[in-house]
Amino acid sequence: NAGVTQTPKFRILKIGQSMTLQCTQDMNHNYMYWYRQDPGMGLKLIYYSVGAGITDKGEVPNGYNVSRSTTEDFPLRLELAAPSQTSVYFCASIDGGGRDNEQFFGPGTRLTVL
Amino acid sequence: AQSVSQHNHHVILSEAASLELGCNYSYGGTVNLFWYVQYPGQHLQLLLKYFSGDPLVKGIKGFEAEFIKSKFSFNLRKPSVQWSDTAEYFCAVSGYSSASKIIFGSGTRLSIRP
Repeated sequence: NAGVTQTPKFRILKIGQSMTLQCTQDMNHNYMYWYRQDPGMGLKLIYYSVGAGITDKGEVPNGYNVSRSTTEDFPLRLELAAPSQTSVYFCASIDGGGRDNEQFFGPGTRLTVL
Repeated sequence: AQSVSQHNHHVILSEAASLELGCNYSYGGTVNLFWYVQYPGQHLQLLLKYFSGDPLVKGIKGFEAEFIKSKFSFNLRKPSVQWSDTAEYFCAVSGYSSASKIIFGSGTRLSIRP
């Protein structure tokens, strides 16, 4: 299993540009999450999904959108990039079949908005 | 409100010193507790987790943590640190089911002097 994969690894955007961060997991996990990690801070939950077709907002959803058309994929969309969105973005997944909610993380995408 | 506090933002130790990183949480009901580690430039990996049973949990690389319910604490310990333990450490708490949101602390940066 590749686990959780994310693309791209790095990206620089200009203010106002849009992009999609890709996240794929091959573990057949039901639950998927997007976090952002700012320097010296913990992880902030942006959006999450408990299954295909179901998404919900986390702590910091403004400026982002998500979709979950398949179990495997959970892309995160930035429509109008702003400098405040400069961060490292992590995708994670959980099986969701029982009490064990250990999260498996992807390698992250480092995004800079100039 | 649900929260996790990691009081030490940056800890500097010499090799072979003992380590204890504090973690206190606020979360109603039965909890699952986690410590994740993030080595420089890498994604978060699970160090250890507590779901139930023995409150002293042993993880990888010689780490352990003790759940003290009366103190709402889950401190991480290691008797003798190595230079390779240099990383950021995150404590996290969730509810008793896979549907529960996971709350992360802001992290503790550990620097080990060779």
